[in-house]
Amino acid sequence: EVQLVESGGGLVQPGGSLRLSCAASGFTFSSYTMNWVRQAPGKGLEWISSVSRSSTNIHYANSVRGRFTVSRDNAKTSLYLQMNSLTADDTAVYYCARDITGGNGFHHWGQGALVTVSS
Amino acid sequence: QSVLTQPPSVSAAPGQWVTISCSGSRSNIGDNYVSWYQQLPGTAPQLLIYDNNKRPSGIPDRFSGSKSGTSATLGITGLQTGDEADYYCGTWDSSLSAVVFGGGTKLTVL
Repeated sequence: EVQLVESGGGLVQPGGSLRLSCAASGFTFSSYTMNWVRQAPGKGLEWISSVSRSSTNIHYANSVRGRFTVSRDNAKTSLYLQMNSLTADDTAVYYCARDITGGNGFHHWGQGALVTVSS
Repeated sequence: QSVLTQPPSVSAAPGQWVTISCSGSRSNIGDNYVSWYQQLPGTAPQLLIYDNNKRPSGIPDRFSGSKSGTSATLGITGLQTGDEADYYCGTWDSSLSAVVFGGGTKLTVL
């Protein structure tokens, strides 16, 4: 069974930093591009980053480029999101997500990690 | 303002059929595959449709997807009260080099 479990969320002050982790199991982690998607309270889905299987290709949404850094450790089957210079607009539930095998669409999602940016 | 445009809400009676539209441009829907997601309150999104019109295992055939040009449509037949949820379309945007989502559509089953 595919499992994605986020951790590292919490309350952080504006301008602060936080690192999210996503522990993956139940599939060959190194064979899949991984993604981060967030959802602000009462708002829609916003994709923020993807990292390819070997970290060769990395993409960011304009809203986080230069502040957030995605990485992965295939040996530890884990995905990470380093978030710096956080603002209130970054308050959201952050999900890690994996594509469906052989197709285009986020089939597997974690339960989400809540990040609250507030003084 | 989302790159993909969806109606904010749709409604229909139980047992009826409803469609949700998703409008984009050549760089996103026009040139790439579309996926659809259902999100029940307080839960993570669930993939309903991928590659425009394919259903993952376990998704009932009451859900269908189609794409024409720069627009896509999600269809739901035999509506049930359990279908009340938010629905999102998503795709890759070749110009932005980013995944883009629609703003979401709230389905109400009257």
